[in-house]
Amino acid sequence: NAGVTQTPKFRVLKTGQSMTLLCAQDMNHEYMYWYRQDPGMGLRLIHYSVGEGTTAKGEVPDGYNVSRLKKQNFLLGLESAAPSQTSVYFCASRIAGGTDTQYFGPGTRLTVL
Amino acid sequence: EDKVVQSPLSLVVHEGDTVTLNCSYEVTNFRSLLWYKQEKKAPTFLFMLTSSGIEKKSGRLSSILDKKELSSILNITATQTGDSAIYLCAVGVDSGTYKYIFGTGTRLKVLA
Repeated sequence: NAGVTQTPKFRVLKTGQSMTLLCAQDMNHEYMYWYRQDPGMGLRLIHYSVGEGTTAKGEVPDGYNVSRLKKQNFLLGLESAAPSQTSVYFCASRIAGGTDTQYFGPGTRLTVL
Repeated sequence: EDKVVQSPLSLVVHEGDTVTLNCSYEVTNFRSLLWYKQEKKAPTFLFMLTSSGIEKKSGRLSSILDKKELSSILNITATQTGDSAIYLCAVGVDSGTYKYIFGTGTRLKVLA
């Protein structure tokens, strides 16, 4: 079991470039989440998904899009990166029902110049 | 607007001290409160507290949920340098779909 994995681990973009962050989980979890973490801000929810083919907006969705075409994968896209999107991005997943425990991926450090 | 507030923002103690970290919340449709420890990378789960489980303990760490005061505390006794980390509080909200509101975290540094 790899748990939750994120690709890439690090990335540097120029303003206006696009990229996709991939989150994959092998625990058959229904729910998946994308967060960003900035200094002094804690974790803020960007988008989340409660199942394959469904997505919903979190606290800070602007500038991001997501897709959940397969249950095990949750993609986060930046269409036109801005310096304000410099952050550490964490993906998490959890099983539906039962415990509320989320399992986190190792994070992606993104810098937008 | 749902809100989770942690205090203090940072704390420096010496090994052997006892610390108490606070988390207060204002949310609709409270479902659970979770504590995480974050060292250099991803948060790792410590405890989950709900209406049916308001007190948890694991070794030197313990946590209590006060649903009347809408708050929780995380206690760490006999602190060690390995306890140095950011401690995050998250509240699970059930508003048709399940999501979590995180506090800003408390940064704990334990000196040898």
